[in-house]
Amino acid sequence: DGGITQSPKYLFRKEGQNVTLSCEQNLNHDAMYWYRQDPGQGLRLIYYSQIVNDFQKGDIAEGYSVSREKKESFPLTVTSAQKNPTAFYLCASSMLSSGANVLTFGAGSRLTVL
Amino acid sequence: GENVEQHPSTLSVQEGDSAVIKCTYSDSASNYFPWYKQELGKGPQLIIDIRSNVGEKKDQRIAVTLNKTAKHFSLHITETQPEDSAVYFCAASPHKKAGGYNKLIFGAGTRLAVHP
Repeated sequence: DGGITQSPKYLFRKEGQNVTLSCEQNLNHDAMYWYRQDPGQGLRLIYYSQIVNDFQKGDIAEGYSVSREKKESFPLTVTSAQKNPTAFYLCASSMLSSGANVLTFGAGSRLTVL
Repeated sequence: GENVEQHPSTLSVQEGDSAVIKCTYSDSASNYFPWYKQELGKGPQLIIDIRSNVGEKKDQRIAVTLNKTAKHFSLHITETQPEDSAVYFCAASPHKKAGGYNKLIFGAGTRLAVHP
């Protein structure tokens, strides 16, 4: 089955630790995205990448970092500089050649800072 | 700046009734409007979308209407069923150029509960 796989589904972290969330897609999509979801708020864009070895900051990139070494992989690192990291993180992908930005989402990773 | 407002934040209906969720957007250049459904513990999934050259689009029990003059669009679900219970997000995006990227601005979401 084609899709996006995020792992881990749940993650607990102590303050001051960096954590990396995995995102893998086998849809052959060009672009990949990371969104943060907080209760009562819309999805906010953290980072996106349209091509391998290139990525752009979204609206709330501070305290996060990404890499795009392979087309199918777009890991997100939540660093200790992120002031309020507890949230639900969603990875998505899309084909840039399509006429609209139709996103396919993964199932999400819930990060809790203890 | 760019903004999408979504109402209501929660909606409770009886099975078989209709549900309507409304969104307004601020960027007049927006011309693509998708709706996503997020079930508990899952990622959002596209259920229907509409472009600015169309005023209404239907797909079985769901429909979306667009009023570009007023800059608002709505999701209509008829004959609701318990499996329609989920969080629904609207979004707005400027027209996407081939090979380029235009961001999606999401609303805050509506939690729909359909009671048997």
